[in-house]
Amino acid sequence: DTGVSQDPRHKITKRGQNVTFRCDPISEHNRLYWYRQTLGQGPEFLTYFQNEAQLEKSRLLSDRFSAERPKGSFSTLEIQRTEQGDSAMYLCASSLVTIGNTGELFFGEGSRLTVL
Amino acid sequence: RKEVEQDPGPFNVPEGATVAFNCTYSNSASQSFFWYRQDCRKEPKLLMSVYSSGNEDGRFTAQLNRASQYISLLIRDSKLSDSATYLCVVIAPSGNTPLVFGKGTRLSVIA
Repeated sequence: DTGVSQDPRHKITKRGQNVTFRCDPISEHNRLYWYRQTLGQGPEFLTYFQNEAQLEKSRLLSDRFSAERPKGSFSTLEIQRTEQGDSAMYLCASSLVTIGNTGELFFGEGSRLTVL
Repeated sequence: RKEVEQDPGPFNVPEGATVAFNCTYSNSASQSFFWYRQDCRKEPKLLMSVYSSGNEDGRFTAQLNRASQYISLLIRDSKLSDSATYLCVVIAPSGNTPLVFGKGTRLSVIA
């Protein structure tokens, strides 16, 4: 399967702990996105990368959140000092963007975080 | 006003019915528009892009009305397998910012 993969698929943690999610995009895709989705809501943008450069971060992304894509391939999203409000599905997506083409987003199956 | 707004539904329709969803967007300079489909507990997947002239893909028709800032999705001859949440998606004016998703409209097609 050469789609977007995310790990872990489920994470249960206690409030105050740190968690890290990993995303492996489709190999030739130059853009990688992180979204968060809660029940009954659409995906909310968190941040995205063009190759290894982080181009934009949402105001939703507090200083407890950090994302990296060190070699322009896989990405990690770390949440420090988790809070119950961080409980959500964290979706990663990738796309191939060229001049004049914004590119379809291909999503992974998500990493579901539950903060107790 | 939210960037992208949709009626959350649910829309409960019988098989074979025609159903339409609308979505409004706030930024008149938005460039590109899409409909994504999300099945329960699954990731969103692209259903179709929305072109200025309107476009059709089988039983699905998407239209864009720039003057009124809304896009629509029409599903004809609904199937049970069409039951899902339909997400309206807009790309902001610069074209370099990521896709903005609406909350989605839930459709249930009933036998």
